[in-house]
Amino acid sequence: QAQLLQSGPEVKKPGASVRVSCKVSGYTFNNYGISWVRQAPGQGLEWMGWISGYNGNTNFAQRFQGRVTLTTDTSTSTAYLELRSLTSDDTAVYYCVRDWRTFINYFDTWGHGTLVIVSS
Amino acid sequence: EIVLTQSPGTLSLSPGERATLSCRASQSVSNNYLAWYQHRPGQAPRLLIYGSSSRVSGIPDRFSGSGSATDFTLTISRLEPEDFAVYYCQKYGASPATFGQGTRLDIK
Repeated sequence: QAQLLQSGPEVKKPGASVRVSCKVSGYTFNNYGISWVRQAPGQGLEWMGWISGYNGNTNFAQRFQGRVTLTTDTSTSTAYLELRSLTSDDTAVYYCVRDWRTFINYFDTWGHGTLVIVSS
Repeated sequence: EIVLTQSPGTLSLSPGERATLSCRASQSVSNNYLAWYQHRPGQAPRLLIYGSSSRVSGIPDRFSGSGSATDFTLTISRLEPEDFAVYYCQKYGASPATFGQGTRLDIK
């Protein structure tokens, strides 16, 4: 059974960076990709970007280009999201989701979410 | 970028009633790559439907999806208490993957 285990909640100050991890189990990491989706308080779901577990290729939503880095560690089947220059608007729950290895697909398996709070 | 607009924003119905949720795309969605998710408070979203009309294994058959090109519908034939949640449509395939703003299904 596919599972995605995310790191714990974070509290950051404006201007700082945050790194969220997503460790997968129950399937072969290299055969899939990982997308990241966030939900700000009272808002809907927002897709941020995708990384292939196969070759590390990435694709980002325009608004996150240059501010987000997605990486993977295939030796530990873990994906990472780094978001820089945080503002209060980045306060949200961040989800990693299982995706296709070659393109962005529907999201059949979700992590439990990581709450990131940005506050001075 | 394809924009997905869901309607209504909020739908108030009683258990046993039929729910019809709409998702309209600003451009045709290639290959009908349209998915629907259910999101309950405090939980991760759950995939219900992909490819416009294919139901995920384990999802009750009271959930059905239909539509093509720019107009898509999620129908819940007879509402159960656990169905009251927020529902999102999502377009996938080509970047960016976009979500609709959601429809909140409330108990009347």
